Amino acid sequence: SFELTQPTSVSVSPGQIASISCSGNKLGDTYVCWYLQKAGQSPVLVIFQDDKRPSGIPERFSGSNSGNTATLTISGTQAMDEADFFCQAWDDDSGWVFGGGTKLTVL
Amino acid sequence: QVQLEESGPGLVRPSQTLSLSCTVSNVSINTPNFYWSWVRQPAGKGLEWIGRIYMTGNTHYSPSLKNRVAMSIDTSKNQFSLELTSVTATDTAVYYCATDRISYGFAAWGPGTLVTVAS
Repeated sequence: SFELTQPTSVSVSPGQIASISCSGNKLGDTYVCWYLQKAGQSPVLVIFQDDKRPSGIPERFSGSNSGNTATLTISGTQAMDEADFFCQAWDDDSGWVFGGGTKLTVL
Repeated sequence: QVQLEESGPGLVRPSQTLSLSCTVSNVSINTPNFYWSWVRQPAGKGLEWIGRIYMTGNTHYSPSLKNRVAMSIDTSKNQFSLELTSVTATDTAVYYCATDRISYGFAAWGPGTLVTVAS
């Protein structure tokens, strides 16, 4: 079955760049989405089609996808960005698949 | 903007059927290229996609749940529904409904509803 692997946790200092990876077999051949989820809230779409931001999502959020790895990058990370992040991709056999999630800590 | 809201019992007995509905506002459930998905999240864990339904009634279920899942759509009420049979404690989770636009991800989510499976 198709699986997406994310690091359990990532730490970053305020103002620095945070990078969260998402790995899957031939992931670059399909679109990847990214979601942010704060405690007790519903997920929020921050990136779709690998690198596009929905209206209202700050420019500091960007994405890329190539080969077997997609990456979410947060430039100038702020304390308010502390959250869980999930990647997502479609597989014709499995349907929608989510990564296990990455807890971003802003120290 | 699209709004969704889940509704249904918060407590389900083991071996019984979990039934939830999702009411959609500000967009017709008959809108082309909009799928309607269910996702669940056990406490402290990640997101698990359950399945989706299209306005035609076509469905696609997660392979891990397909033997116990059924989804339906009621265009007159602008609602879609989830049934999960033979539930156990491992089905305890927050259940979300979400819009699922082709290639655009899950742009809108409901607030989620906690379903506990316990006797």
